[in-house]
Amino acid sequence: DSGVTQTPKHLITATGQRVTLRCSPRSGDLSVYWYQQSLDQGLQFLIQYYNGEERAKGNILERFSAQQFPDLHSELNLSSLELGDSALYFCASSVGQGRGDTEAFFGQGTRLTVV
Amino acid sequence: DAKTTQPTSMDCAEGRAANLPCNHSTISGNEYVYWYRQIHSQGPQYIIHGLKNNETNEMASLIITEDRKSSTLILPHATLRDTAVYYCIVRVAGGAGTASKLTFGTGTRLQVTL
Repeated sequence: DSGVTQTPKHLITATGQRVTLRCSPRSGDLSVYWYQQSLDQGLQFLIQYYNGEERAKGNILERFSAQQFPDLHSELNLSSLELGDSALYFCASSVGQGRGDTEAFFGQGTRLTVV
Repeated sequence: DAKTTQPTSMDCAEGRAANLPCNHSTISGNEYVYWYRQIHSQGPQYIIHGLKNNETNEMASLIITEDRKSSTLILPHATLRDTAVYYCIVRVAGGAGTASKLTFGTGTRLQVTL
């Protein structure tokens, strides 16, 4: 158990809908990272937050947004869903703002299926 | 972040050491070498990391060449449960205001067999 909790574990929804994925980081971790893993793309970095502020952005679509709350949990919002958004979404957390010597720990992911 | 090159796949007999190589010839002086693995569709699992010295923990050993252009992850006694995709990642040491994401490549698929 990494200490990072993601809910829900599975989500099935229709095209055009909006969903929210939730992540609770490890106790004491201030950084949260979101990744997407689809079959043909590997693990793609989406976005990072540190202590409530956005710190880095990767290949995140405009239909997607995220935020980190004062209690440090984070939510990833996916809207106007398309079939191609079906993927595993992982959240990771680490202690610091991005020191290279601080490892990140991953949750078990949310499997999103868009039908 | 520097790019890494890993073999696509490797096999290892159970009980033997698994040596997974990684080339990172463009690594910068402030970049660490990280190893993660992903078992089936589970979340990636941190294994070990290092800057320039060899490192060992309860899971594995990391050997980094003196010029830091390559490294080897060693699983000393591989078991069937070590079957996974192993990712070698180089990651910059971030300072204040610097984000330090993990950029995953395609990794090495290690198959441990009886």
